[in-house]
Amino acid sequence: AQSVTQLGSHVSVSEGALVLLRCNYSSSVPPYLFWYVQYPNQGLQLLLKYTTGATLVKGINGFEAEFKKSETSFHLTKPSAHMSDAAEYFCAVSRSNDYKLSFGAGTTVTVRA
Amino acid sequence: DADVTQTPRNRITKTGKRIMLECSQTKGHDRMYWYRQDPGLGLRLIYYSFDVKDINKGEISDGYSVSRQAQAKFSLSLESAIPNQTALYFCATSDGREGYTFGSGTRLTVV
Repeated sequence: AQSVTQLGSHVSVSEGALVLLRCNYSSSVPPYLFWYVQYPNQGLQLLLKYTTGATLVKGINGFEAEFKKSETSFHLTKPSAHMSDAAEYFCAVSRSNDYKLSFGAGTTVTVRA
Repeated sequence: DADVTQTPRNRITKTGKRIMLECSQTKGHDRMYWYRQDPGLGLRLIYYSFDVKDINKGEISDGYSVSRQAQAKFSLSLESAIPNQTALYFCATSDGREGYTFGSGTRLTVV
């Protein structure tokens, strides 16, 4: 079975500051890990994913995440926040690229001017 | 046209009524899913289907049923709606290469 814990339901950052969203997972098999973003009144959009290989994964909109097996973590970062990054972010785990996903509770990001 | 289309986008219904949420996809994928989103809980899996003849319960299937009418169509029914089924519902499809594609969601309110 897989599960995900996102630390912090709300994160507020200043424009230009580092964005750090924390995600820890548990999985009985080697995990596939995902970050999704949800803008208001929209569906979920894939930011990035880790399947195998390089543990530092780069995604869209300047986001990246690092898979750390020893820490069972997959934290999402962006060096410089933009106002357009205000959204809700979900970490998810699966046992393959297209098997059922288990989601974290989500982290809402607000960006201060 | 969107890859995954959900209808209706918004619906208000009364307790005890039967309601169907529809989903169609143009991706040509075999796997389809229904998720429910509640504030502070993320998305939880209701049902999933790996092909037309394969239907599986997710973690919160009680009170719901589904029908896979064709490869492209996967509908979710609430036989007798109750207020705690008020939520945002998402349909998704996937294959082995691209991962998931989500619809825009159906916001359901049960009064």
